[in-house]
Amino acid sequence: EPEVTQTPSHQVTQMGQEVILRCVPISNHLYFYWYRQILGQKVEFLVSFYNNEISEKSEIFDDQFSVERPDGSNFTLKIRSTKLEDSAMYFCASSGSSGEQFFGPGTRLTVL
Amino acid sequence: LAKTTQPISMDSYEGQEVNITCSHNNIATNDYITWYQQFPSQGPRFIIQGYKTKVTNEVASLFIPADRKSSTLSLPRVSLSDTAVYYCLVGERGSSNTGKLIFGQGTTLQVKP
Repeated sequence: EPEVTQTPSHQVTQMGQEVILRCVPISNHLYFYWYRQILGQKVEFLVSFYNNEISEKSEIFDDQFSVERPDGSNFTLKIRSTKLEDSAMYFCASSGSSGEQFFGPGTRLTVL
Repeated sequence: LAKTTQPISMDSYEGQEVNITCSHNNIATNDYITWYQQFPSQGPRFIIQGYKTKVTNEVASLFIPADRKSSTLSLPRVSLSDTAVYYCLVGERGSSNTGKLIFGQGTTLQVKP
C-alpha cells in the first residue's frame, strides 16, 4: 500500500537555526499539506499546496515558513529561523481527487 | 466549516462495541462526515466517510440519521490496539474539497483489558 514518508523522524535544532523537513507524498497525488501538532494539543493546518503554488495557508504559516516541491517527488517545509514555540510534530499529507488525505508518520522538531 | 462536538474521552473494555457520537448541527448540504484515528506519535489515519444512512468498512461503521445533525462511529469488539484519539470532521469531499482539514480535540478512547 502506498504511503507518505517523512524525514527525519526527529530533528533537534538550536533556536534561530533553519530547518528543512522533508516529505515524499504518494506518487499520483496532486495535493500536499503540512500540519503540526504541539505536544498535547490538536492537529493544526499550516499550508496546502497544489500545482506548484500555495493554495491556502493558516495564520501560523508566517514569513518564517516556506514550502517547496523541488522535484517530482519531494515536498519540503522550511522554517527559516526557528523559535522555541516551533517545537512540535510536523505532519505531511497528500491527497488525490477523492479528497481523502493520507498522513505521514511525522517529524518531531525540538528547538532548544 | 461545520463545527463538531464530541466527548473528550471514553473508556471501554476489550471485546466491547464502542460508539462515539459527534454532533454537527450546522452541517451543510454538500458536507460529508469523516472520521480519522490517531495513535500516539503518529499521523492521523482515515477510518471512514459517509453522507447519510449507514456506511460500513472492514474497520468501522458510521451511522448518520436522516437530519444529519449527528453521526455515530461504531467500532465492533475493540481491542487494546484501538486505544487512540478519534476525530470527527465535517466538510466537502472529492474534487470540490482538496483543502485543509480542521481537527478538534477528538475523543480519546482508552480500551482496558
